[in-house]
Amino acid sequence: QVQLVQSGAEVEKPGASVKVSCKASEYTLTGYYMHWVRQAPGQGLEWMGWIYFNSGGTKYAQKFQGRVTMTRDTSISTAYMELSRLGSDDTAVYFCARDPGSLGYFDLWGRGTLVTVSS
Amino acid sequence: QSALTQPASVSGSPGQSITISCTGTSGDVGNYNFVSWYQHHPGKAPKLMISEVSKRPSGVSNRFSGSKSGNTASLTISGLQAEDEADYYCCSYAGSDTYVFGTGTKVTVL
Repeated sequence: QVQLVQSGAEVEKPGASVKVSCKASEYTLTGYYMHWVRQAPGQGLEWMGWIYFNSGGTKYAQKFQGRVTMTRDTSISTAYMELSRLGSDDTAVYFCARDPGSLGYFDLWGRGTLVTVSS
Repeated sequence: QSALTQPASVSGSPGQSITISCTGTSGDVGNYNFVSWYQHHPGKAPKLMISEVSKRPSGVSNRFSGSKSGNTASLTISGLQAEDEADYYCCSYAGSDTYVFGTGTKVTVL
């Protein structure tokens, strides 16, 4: 079954970094963009940025510039999102979402990774 | 980039039709036909319901339809069913390879 499998929940201290992974099962991510979206408790979805799997090119939301790094490992069809200098307001569920061709929609999502920032 | 504005909640009885609005600006919704809609049951992966304003992906019920007028996009659910109860989010391309989501709407089936 085609799906995006994300890494497990993380608990981090303020100021630390977290790296979340997103692996495509049953297919390759070549040719796709992978976006990252987060949802803080009780809040809506927030777009964070994307990585183009072929080239590794990225685009980040201005809010996260300098704090987020998106990478990928083509050999294992896995995308990564690393967020640094964590604060309590970074506590959220982080989703990866596949974009088939920069047409402005996400046709497949992971189930999310809960990141809790707490001292 | 400010979030697109959606009503916090919309409700309807089974069989009724409801419409969720998504208001942006001339810099996002009003300028691009890249508006999409997602259904999200908490704890699950969001699901694409509408792409490019009004295109329905394979497997999505034809009870779901999308449209746009000016800076406002809309999602209509006809023949409301209990399984439609969920959170719904719009998303728009906002230029310069960036995207913006709506504030989200909780749909309740009475």
